[in-house]
Amino acid sequence: NAGVTQTPKFQVLKTGQSMTLQCAQDMNHNSMYWYRQDPGMGLRLIYYSASEGTTDKGEVPNGYNVSRLNKREFSLRLESAAPSQTSVYFCASTQEQGVIGELFFGEGSRLTVL
Amino acid sequence: AQSVSQHNHHVILSEAASLELGCNYSYGGTVNLFWYVQYPGQHLQLLLKYFSGDPLVKGIKGFEAEFIKSKFSFNLRKPSVQWSDTAEYFCAVKGNNRLAFGKGNQVVVIP
Repeated sequence: NAGVTQTPKFQVLKTGQSMTLQCAQDMNHNSMYWYRQDPGMGLRLIYYSASEGTTDKGEVPNGYNVSRLNKREFSLRLESAAPSQTSVYFCASTQEQGVIGELFFGEGSRLTVL
Repeated sequence: AQSVSQHNHHVILSEAASLELGCNYSYGGTVNLFWYVQYPGQHLQLLLKYFSGDPLVKGIKGFEAEFIKSKFSFNLRKPSVQWSDTAEYFCAVKGNNRLAFGKGNQVVVIP
């Protein structure tokens, strides 16, 4: 049972470098999400995709871009990384289209920006 | 947009003690409510959820939560905790097709 798979699990970047976090789900879910988790801040929504072909901003979209490549895959890109983007990133998916039910989370990607 | 408040961010207690974590939300419409748990080094997992019906919801591992609409609350409880309940607990509220998370409660159970 793969569920939601994120890569890479760990990454260290220098300020200004770019990178893409990959996320794939094998549950045929319609909606996918990217969250960041910071100590004492809980989870904050960066971007989400209610269905294939659509993406929308969440609470903290600045500095990020996303692509819903197909129904399975939803990538998060940092074009010019900043130390403030040091965080743990979680991808999640849910069956409902545009309506959030139970979220299934990936194992997280720990990003450090120096 | 809805918001979620969780108090007492750090909780330390001994095995067999009772646990109650508060969750209050602000949203005037129909809500769906969730508690997620994150064990050390793992991803978030659903503990329990409330959509409708009986406001007392039972989840996995002996946890339960009670939805009190008049108080805008969805508190999590467990009568007797175990060391394996050491984790971070997040309340989440869905309203208007958006899901908002609280800041979490870090719970440490001492053997």
